[in-house]
Amino acid sequence: DAGVTQSPTHLIKTRGQQVTLRCSPKSGHDTVSWYQQALGQGPQFIFQYYEEEERQRGNFPDRFSGHQFPNYSSELNVNALLLGDSALYLCASSLVHAEAFFGQGTRLTVV
Amino acid sequence: KNEVEQSPQNLTAQEGEFITINCSYSVGISALHWLQQHPGGGIVSLFMLSSGKKKHGRLIATINIQEKHSSLHITASHPRDSAVYICAVEGNKLVFGAGTILRVKS
Repeated sequence: DAGVTQSPTHLIKTRGQQVTLRCSPKSGHDTVSWYQQALGQGPQFIFQYYEEEERQRGNFPDRFSGHQFPNYSSELNVNALLLGDSALYLCASSLVHAEAFFGQGTRLTVV
Repeated sequence: KNEVEQSPQNLTAQEGEFITINCSYSVGISALHWLQQHPGGGIVSLFMLSSGKKKHGRLIATINIQEKHSSLHITASHPRDSAVYICAVEGNKLVFGAGTILRVKS
């Protein structure tokens, strides 16, 4: 079992561009959550997907959107990138109210 | 005030020392997680607990639901324990503390 896998591992984008990050959950997990972790801070909840629908959302603008596919994998899309979007983006998968397993993260740098 | 507060923010210990990291929270929760994050970003779940105490190797986690407080203990600390330790509480989503940066010197 590969656990939670995220791609790409590193990414550099220019202000104003759009980016798509991908997450494959641990086998058997149906819930995927996305987090943004700025340097030196704890992760902040972006949103959670379950059964292909956004179930919960944190305090992030509409530029942040996502999708979950029938195989439970998920994408995080960020439009109109800002310098402040530079962060580590973490994906976690779980069953509902069970222990979460985290991916290695995608390091996004916006220049 | 943050919903999850960790202390200390930074901790330097000598190899072999007993280490305690504290976490206080202000919201109702269904569970509390202790996570470990190494440089480079990957997060590993150490414990998920909703009551009492759990032990795994040299790591012990306790929680007091009435006092809304949890502690993570590391016995016989080792330089490989150096990492950021993060407390996260689960209600309808995970809310994270800012983390405790632990450095264990040999």
